[in-house]
Amino acid sequence: GEDVEQSLFLSVREGDSSVINCTYTDSSSTYLYWYKQEPGAGLQLLTYIFSNMDMKQDQRLTVLLNKKDKHLSLRIADTQTGDSAIYFCAESIDNQGGKLIFGQGTELSVKP
Amino acid sequence: EAQVTQNPRYLITVTGKKLTVTCSQNMNHEYMSWYRQDPGLGLRQIYYSMNVEVTDKGDVPEGYKVSRKEKRNFPLILESPSPNQTSLYFCASSLFAGGSGSYEQYFGPGTRLTVT
Repeated sequence: GEDVEQSLFLSVREGDSSVINCTYTDSSSTYLYWYKQEPGAGLQLLTYIFSNMDMKQDQRLTVLLNKKDKHLSLRIADTQTGDSAIYFCAESIDNQGGKLIFGQGTELSVKP
Repeated sequence: EAQVTQNPRYLITVTGKKLTVTCSQNMNHEYMSWYRQDPGLGLRQIYYSMNVEVTDKGDVPEGYKVSRKEKRNFPLILESPSPNQTSLYFCASSLFAGGSGSYEQYFGPGTRLTVT
């Protein structure tokens, strides 16, 4: 079945890089997404990657996709305290319209 | 401003008392969806709708109903709420991003429901 796994917590120092990891099981994923949820708020789409890509960079964000190992990562360079949030990875499945399968979320804590 | 709105944002109710959580989007999106978020479980899809009058079950539909009579609105109905439906609920609508083909989902701010 479809499953997306993430570690639950990550703590880094301000200015360091953060790497949030995600594994998924469904090989028919078409797109993989990273969403950010700040306290008391909804989910904000950060970036996404098409399943035939290996890497995508968008300013401080770098997404790496290893399709063979079904592993997705989000690297945040020069992490700031404002990056503290819960980060969700999600996959969309081919032929299932807009359905997203979410991971449990990784709570990123950035210490000054 | 393009947005998804939900009402109410917070609700405390008692077991068995019917309630409706409204969702509205102003982006002319065809796809809308409801999720519930529970600690350690991420978001799970309850129901979704590909268009007006077209709805289908997600992964956790038991105890919920939806309707899609207009494109912009997608209410979530709990006919007889139970304590295990205490959760944080999100409505989302989707833009099919043309040539890139990605479903960029826009989320509402969430409704925190407590059923006692």
